[in-house]
Parts: sequence; structure tokens; C-alpha cells
Amino acid sequence: NFMLTQPHSVSESPGKTVTISCTRSSGSIASNYVQWYQQRPGSSPTTVIYEDNQRPSGVPDRFSGSIDSSSNSASLTISGLKTEDEADYYCQSYDSSNFWVFGGGTKLTVL
Amino acid sequence: EVQLVESGGGLVQPGGSLRLSCAASGFTFSSYDMHWVRQATGKGLEWVSAIGTAGDTYYPGSVKGRFTISRENAKNSLYLQMNSLRAEDTAVYYCARDNRVAGFDYWGQGTLVTVSS
Repeated sequence: NFMLTQPHSVSESPGKTVTISCTRSSGSIASNYVQWYQQRPGSSPTTVIYEDNQRPSGVPDRFSGSIDSSSNSASLTISGLKTEDEADYYCQSYDSSNFWVFGGGTKLTVL
Repeated sequence: EVQLVESGGGLVQPGGSLRLSCAASGFTFSSYDMHWVRQATGKGLEWVSAIGTAGDTYYPGSVKGRFTISRENAKNSLYLQMNSLRAEDTAVYYCARDNRVAGFDYWGQGTLVTVSS
């Protein structure tokens, strides 16, 4: 079984850049795509990154994703932070044994 | 416009059963794998079940043998039959469309299931 571990919370000021990590416990991070979802309070999740680093239409290019095989982790980077970016962010990946797995979520505070 | 609308949530006693439905529109339902994902209050997301276009089904250990996912393509509908419900099954249940790269691209608004005596 594998797990995806995220920091519980991060905070940064408007206009700054923040990076949220997602570390895979076993198996290669590169073996299956990583997705990132944003969930604002009281709302359903929406996709901000799919296929490790692709942005759906409508998601600003302030959002970017990457993977790092050396640390077996994925990262979501948000630049030019806005107060509207304040939300919970979840990474998610897959394997044939555990199927669809989510990270525990990271609460982003923009203050 | 893709829309997913869940229904069927409510209060049920431990050991009871409930059937959730998800009405899909705005896309060719029969061409997509579909999922149920749940979220307990104040907690993270947990994948609950998946069904492929051919009717193949998948479950995590926490619900296997108790939950059954199904689909009715003629009605553009997805279902989740939940039996032997436990307090720990209390959550908002979301219907989600598979994005064809092992993730999810569209989510419904969710339906709340509360298991309590």
C-alpha cells in the first residue's frame, strides 16, 4: 500500500509564492500521474492540475505542478497569491493495488 | 456543460442501508468511468468506489463487501448501494467523473449521509 503525505497547513502573504508538497511513501511518484484538487469551504473539489503538470482550461497559469523522482514527491506551486486561493488542496494518484489514493490535504491560508 | 447531481442521502441507523443516485448530463455518460468519493466533516477526501464503462467495479477495503456501485447508461445514472452502514461511513458523498488519466475531472455537489441511532 502507498500513502501520499502532505503538510497539514501552509500560509503565505498575498503576492508571494507557496509550494505544497506531496510525498509518495512507496512506489515511484513517476509511475502514475498526480492530480491536484482545490476545495474552498462549503464547495466541491475542482481540479487545478492533472497529469502532474497540466492545467485545465480556466485555471490561471499562477498554478503549476511538478514531480521530483529524487524525493519521490509532487509539488503544487501557486505564485502571485491571491486571497481567493485560500482553500484546502489535495494531491491524488493511483496504482493497481490501492487504486485511487488522496493525500490528507493541505490548508492554505493567505494572510 | 457537465453536471453531476447526487441524491438519496439522509439519516440511517447503524446496520441500515441507503441507496445514492447521481444524475449525469452534458456528456456521453456511457463513455466514462465513474466514481464515488466521500468526505467526513472536517476530514479529507476518500475514494469509495469506481465503475468502468464495461461495468467492472473497484472498491477499497473499507467498503468492500458492503457497498455496491452500479450504473444505468440508458438513464445516465450512477448508483451506490450502501449496506451494513457504520458510524464511520458518515460523510458527504460525491459523484465524480474519471478524467481518463487516473484522476477526476468533474464533481457533483455531494449528498450527506449520516449514520446514527
